[in-house]
Amino acid sequence: DQQVKQNSPSLSVQEGRISILNCDYTNSMFDYFLWYKKYPAEGPTFLISISSIKDKNEDGRFTVFLNKSAKHLSLHIVPSQPGDSAVYFCAASDTGANNLFFGTGTRLTVIP
Amino acid sequence: KAGVTQTPRYLIKTRGQQVTLSCSPISGHRSVSWYQQTPGQGLQFLFEYFSETQRNKGNFPGRFSGRQFSNSRSEMNVSTLELGDSALYLCASSLVAGGWYNEQFFGPGTRLTVL
Repeated sequence: DQQVKQNSPSLSVQEGRISILNCDYTNSMFDYFLWYKKYPAEGPTFLISISSIKDKNEDGRFTVFLNKSAKHLSLHIVPSQPGDSAVYFCAASDTGANNLFFGTGTRLTVIP
Repeated sequence: KAGVTQTPRYLIKTRGQQVTLSCSPISGHRSVSWYQQTPGQGLQFLFEYFSETQRNKGNFPGRFSGRQFSNSRSEMNVSTLELGDSALYLCASSLVAGGWYNEQFFGPGTRLTVL
């Protein structure tokens, strides 16, 4: 049973526009959330994280929003650049960091 | 600074065999976590080692085991291989325990194919 879901397997965005990647989770015990980016033939790269005590965290062009009541988080990339084209995974951790659950990923393509 | 290295990069085994994968973390990093990536299940956490001790474990059968050496290098072992064990196995290192609470760096992975 997938506890973290990314319902859009792919997303295409024009360069310079905003990319919004979405993620839903089912376990209310999750209290820490992360986004990773993965290029082909490479391991994932950590992008940004957010704790459940916050509803927004920003790092440069990347902002993660958390809506605990909806069990939903999103990653905004503004402005999108061709180098952002990759697969993006969201992940969630339960209290005590006993396990880390990943979504199935969204492939972002930024069109020049 | 050298990144996380994993050996071998590719491996082919047959059902019933066992396999050992190796991960060398970034110098100074003491935590190593292992992950399995398959097309059907996506990325799944296997276990984390810190200071030669398994700190936590994901939902995998006992056929999956690991260890960490005093130099923080880690090995992962899968015994009695099944076809479903075919996957990309990733390891990640971080400075301290609780890998993903602190930034963790991933290696390129070992692609295991079980025939």
